[in-house]
Amino acid sequence: NAGVTQTPKFQVLKTGQSMTLQCAQDMNHNSMYWYRQDPGMGLRLIYYSASEGTTDKGEVPNGYNVSRLNKREFSLRLESAAPSQTSVYFCASSWGGRTEAFFGQGTRLTVV
Amino acid sequence: KNQVEQSPQSLIILEGKNCTLQCNYTVSPFSNLRWYKQDTGRGPVSLTIMTFSENTKSNGRYTATLDADTKQSSLHITASQLSDSASYICVVSEADSSYKLIFGSGTRLLVRP
Repeated sequence: NAGVTQTPKFQVLKTGQSMTLQCAQDMNHNSMYWYRQDPGMGLRLIYYSASEGTTDKGEVPNGYNVSRLNKREFSLRLESAAPSQTSVYFCASSWGGRTEAFFGQGTRLTVV
Repeated sequence: KNQVEQSPQSLIILEGKNCTLQCNYTVSPFSNLRWYKQDTGRGPVSLTIMTFSENTKSNGRYTATLDADTKQSSLHITASQLSDSASYICVVSEADSSYKLIFGSGTRLLVRP
């Protein structure tokens, strides 16, 4: 089992460029999440999808969009990257909100 | 404001020694508390999940305790190994919003030979 797979692992963007971070899980989980992790801070929720066909904003959604493509895949899009979006992005999945969350290995994004 | 505070921020211990990491939270109402281990450059991995009715939970050499009255939790690591070097993150789940997790900023542990 691969668990939660994120691509790419590293990315450098210029300010104003767009990109999509991909996430796929093979555990048949209902819920999927996107977090960002910044130095000295706890992980912060960007968007989540409680179940296939639904998405909701988290704590820091501005500048991002998401798509729950199917039960397995949940993508995060940056339409016009800004230096403030330099961070490590983690995708996670779980059966539901109160159950154990499994994380991907992260995408380290630098916006210059 | 719901917060999760962890102490110490960083800790260095010798291999084979024990250590205890602390977590205080103000999240209310409370659903569950989790401890995660995050190796450098990797995603967090769950160690334990405890509900308010659970006082102690073990996972190998890791033992978590929870005092829901004082809103404190600790993670005790016994007979530390070099592979225990990582960040340990305390996470609290709100009862009102099952999808909202409040993350602490973590304790960075370094185990030296």
